[in-house]
Amino acid sequence: ETGVTQTPRHLVMGMTNKKSLKCEQHLGHNAMYWYKQSAKKPLELMFVYSLEERVENNSVPSRFSPECPNSSHLFLHLHTLQPEDSALYLCASSQGQSGEKLFFGSGTQLSVL
Amino acid sequence: GESVGLHLPTLSVQEGDNSIINCAYSNSASDYFIWYKQESGKGPQFIIDIRSNMDKRQGQRVTVLLNKTVKHLSLQIAATQPGDSAVYFCAENPPSSNTGKLIFGQGTTLQVKP
Repeated sequence: ETGVTQTPRHLVMGMTNKKSLKCEQHLGHNAMYWYKQSAKKPLELMFVYSLEERVENNSVPSRFSPECPNSSHLFLHLHTLQPEDSALYLCASSQGQSGEKLFFGSGTQLSVL
Repeated sequence: GESVGLHLPTLSVQEGDNSIINCAYSNSASDYFIWYKQESGKGPQFIIDIRSNMDKRQGQRVTVLLNKTVKHLSLQIAATQPGDSAVYFCAENPPSSNTGKLIFGQGTTLQVKP
């Protein structure tokens, strides 16, 4: 256990559905991240939240909408996704927003049909 | 652009042998480097990190070497075990980044033969 919990572990959705990914960290960290992991590609940073404020939006399409209600919880709201959005979505946290020594959750494996 | 790459996508070693996983980075000003291990069905797990003011750092059965002259990073695993089978990623943190922009490589798959 890394102290970062993601739910659900697996998600299958149609292109017209709306779903949300949830992440919770129990490490007392003050920064949280969403990463996308596709096959044969490096991890791609999507969003960074520091002290519940979004400090980075890495040119992510608006069909992905993050929410950080407090320093322990992070959501990724999904709507009208495309099949190419199918990937493993990883949440991470760190102490400070420098991105050093990230602690990752196990991810949500998303399939868009 | 910036990129972090690994020399080999797959490395196969015999159990008990030492493993060396290599990584080349492109930003000579990067001041922090980190290695992660990702097992099947799990998220990346921190192994070891090193700052640019060091050339070597040792952990339990792992050693990271940093050669800033040729912008090369390596992870050495001593007495490789079946449980070491996983994908290994290196990442660098460029100094221009103050918002979590670790740049990750594509990963090397380590296969340990019994």
